[in-house]
Amino acid sequence: EAGVAQSPRYKIIEKRQSVAFWCNPISGHATLYWYQQILGQGPKLLIQFQNNGVVDDSQLPKDRFSAERLKGVDSTLKIQPAKLEDSAVYLCASSLEAAGSNGYTFGSGTRLTVV
Amino acid sequence: KQEVTQIPAALSVPEGENLVLNCSFTDSAIYNLQWFRQDPGKGLTSLLLIQSSQREQTSGRLNASLDKSSGRSTLYIAASQPGDSATYLCAGQNTGTASKLTFGTGTRLQVTL
Repeated sequence: EAGVAQSPRYKIIEKRQSVAFWCNPISGHATLYWYQQILGQGPKLLIQFQNNGVVDDSQLPKDRFSAERLKGVDSTLKIQPAKLEDSAVYLCASSLEAAGSNGYTFGSGTRLTVV
Repeated sequence: KQEVTQIPAALSVPEGENLVLNCSFTDSAIYNLQWFRQDPGKGLTSLLLIQSSQREQTSGRLNASLDKSSGRSTLYIAASQPGDSATYLCAGQNTGTASKLTFGTGTRLQVTL
């Protein structure tokens, strides 16, 4: 079974620029998550999709962050404009069902540095 | 609101030693608890998942326990090896929160030769 694919692995941008991350979940996984992990902290949920609908985006800074999951498969997360405090690892995860009773599979993440 | 705490933040042990990592959570309405491993610059690898109806799970040299009444989970690593060096994260999923995981800040483990 292929894992969760994310790209790019690394990205360096200047503040106020825009950036986009891509995630391809495990085939058949209906639920997809984007987490933000700041250095030295645990991951924090940004947004959760069930198929192509948003289940939870309560911690997504909607003035600058946006995400979509077209056709209920791949997802993109965008930041526009980026701030210094957005420097973090952005992790995508998927689970077979919304309850997550079978656990979660995480991708390798995208490390974003905003200078 | 669920809060997850991990103690210690960092731990260094000699190879071969048995060790215990601790995780505590504030809300006992926990649906499941998952332990992850994170290597530097990498994503998270799932180690063990404990459902709320279970008390423990085992995989090889790893054993994880869950005590909902006390709000604690432990990860026991037997006969530690240098390859076990990584950050270990626990995460809880509460009932009624649409599967959101709340993570601790992790324990950074170093196993020395």
